[in-house]
Amino acid sequence: DSGVTQTPKHLITATGQRVTLRCSPRSGDLSVYWYQQSLDQGLQFLIHYYNGEERAKGNILERFSAQQFPDLHSELNLSSLELGDSALYFCASSVAPGQRNTEAFFGQGTRLTVV
Amino acid sequence: QKEVEQDPGPLSVPEGAIVSLNCTYSNSAFQYFMWYRQYSRKGPELLMYTYSSGNKEDGRFTAQVDKSSKYISLFIRDSQPSDSATYLCAMRGVAGGTSYGKLTFGQGTILTVHP
Repeated sequence: DSGVTQTPKHLITATGQRVTLRCSPRSGDLSVYWYQQSLDQGLQFLIHYYNGEERAKGNILERFSAQQFPDLHSELNLSSLELGDSALYFCASSVAPGQRNTEAFFGQGTRLTVV
Repeated sequence: QKEVEQDPGPLSVPEGAIVSLNCTYSNSAFQYFMWYRQYSRKGPELLMYTYSSGNKEDGRFTAQVDKSSKYISLFIRDSQPSDSATYLCAMRGVAGGTSYGKLTFGQGTILTVHP
């Protein structure tokens, strides 16, 4: 167990809908990262938050947004869902952004299926 | 061309074999190199972490980084059926660099160790 908790584990929803994925980082970790894993694209970095502030963005669609709250948990919001958004969404956490010996530990993921 | 290239395999070996997994990369800004293991439908688990060039050993696992060739390797000695998983290489730059705070992953190599 990495200590990173993601809910829900599975989500099935229809096209056009909006969903929220939740992540609780390891105790003490300030950084939260979101990744998307699909069969054709592999693990892709979406966005990074550090202590409530956005620090880096990857190939995140405009339909997707995230935030990190004062208690350090994070939410990833996916809207106007399309079939192609079906994927595993992972959250990872670490102590500080980009510092040595503070590597990312991943949660078990949320499997999103858009039908 | 992807920043990180990894042969997806699949790779099938008998128990006790030495396994060699490799990744090449193109971004000179990468300074930190990691190997993650991912069991089916689970989150990636950090196996090995290396800073810059050199070797690092941890039990049956050895990670090598050759920055001059932009090439990293993971060796698994005395492989076991429990090592069957997908192995992902990942890398990032230093804080403040262009790859600040995010990991770039290879596609992953599917490994099966049969008894």
